[in-house]
Amino acid sequence: DGGITQSPKYLFRKEGQNVTLSCEQNLNHDAMYWYRQDPGQGLRLIYYSQIVNDFQKGDIAEGYSVSREKKESFPLTVTSAQKNPTAFYLCASSIATRQGAFGYTFGSGTRLTVV
Amino acid sequence: GQQVMQIPQYQHVQEGEDFTTYCNSSTTLSNIQWYKQRPGGHPVFLIQLVKSGEVKKQKRLTFQFGEAKKNSSLHITATQTTDVGTYFCAGTGNQFYFGTGTSLTVIP
Repeated sequence: DGGITQSPKYLFRKEGQNVTLSCEQNLNHDAMYWYRQDPGQGLRLIYYSQIVNDFQKGDIAEGYSVSREKKESFPLTVTSAQKNPTAFYLCASSIATRQGAFGYTFGSGTRLTVV
Repeated sequence: GQQVMQIPQYQHVQEGEDFTTYCNSSTTLSNIQWYKQRPGGHPVFLIQLVKSGEVKKQKRLTFQFGEAKKNSSLHITATQTTDVGTYFCAGTGNQFYFGTGTSLTVIP
C-alpha cells in the first residue's frame, strides 16, 4: 500500500540536543511538507520541497533544517536553536508541486517532547 | 498575511444533532480543502472545492464554497460518534494556509 511513514512515533529530546525525524513516502509525489501542530492549534508550515535537492522555508523555519536528497525522503532536524520544540510534527506529500493544488497525504506524525 | 479563520473552535453536540463549521478568508481563495483529524491521529483529506458556489456531498457531509470564494462551510447531518474529531479547512490565496480547526465532540 502506498503511503507516508514517519518515525519514530514518539521522541524525547534533552535540552541542547539535535534530533532528526524521518519521513518516507512511496506515493511518487514530488512535493513534501513538514508541519508543526500544537495543542488546540492548526497546522503551521516549517519547510517544504517541490523537487529533489531543493526546499523552501515555511512560516516557522527557525531552529529547523531539512534535506531532500531522494524523492522518497524528507527528514526534518530539530536543532538546539529551536526554543520550544515540544509539539506534534506532521509530514505530508502531494502530487502537485504548487502548494494546495491537490489534497495532501499526511503521515501518522511524530510527538516530540523535550525532557 | 492572509489567514484562514475557522469557527467555532469547539462544538459539543448530542448524537443525532446537526453540526456546521465555517471557514473564512480575508482574500479570495482559488480553492478550499477540508480535512478530518481523529483524536490522536493525523489529518485525512476529505474533499476539494474550486468553483464559486460549489456544493459537494459525501453521505451525511455537505461542503459548500461561497459565491465570493472567501468562505466555506462543512455541514454534518445527524451526527454519529464516528464523526468525532477536528475538522480543518485549508485554502489557497496568496499562499496555502490551514484553518485553526473545529473540534467536534459527539455525546452519545
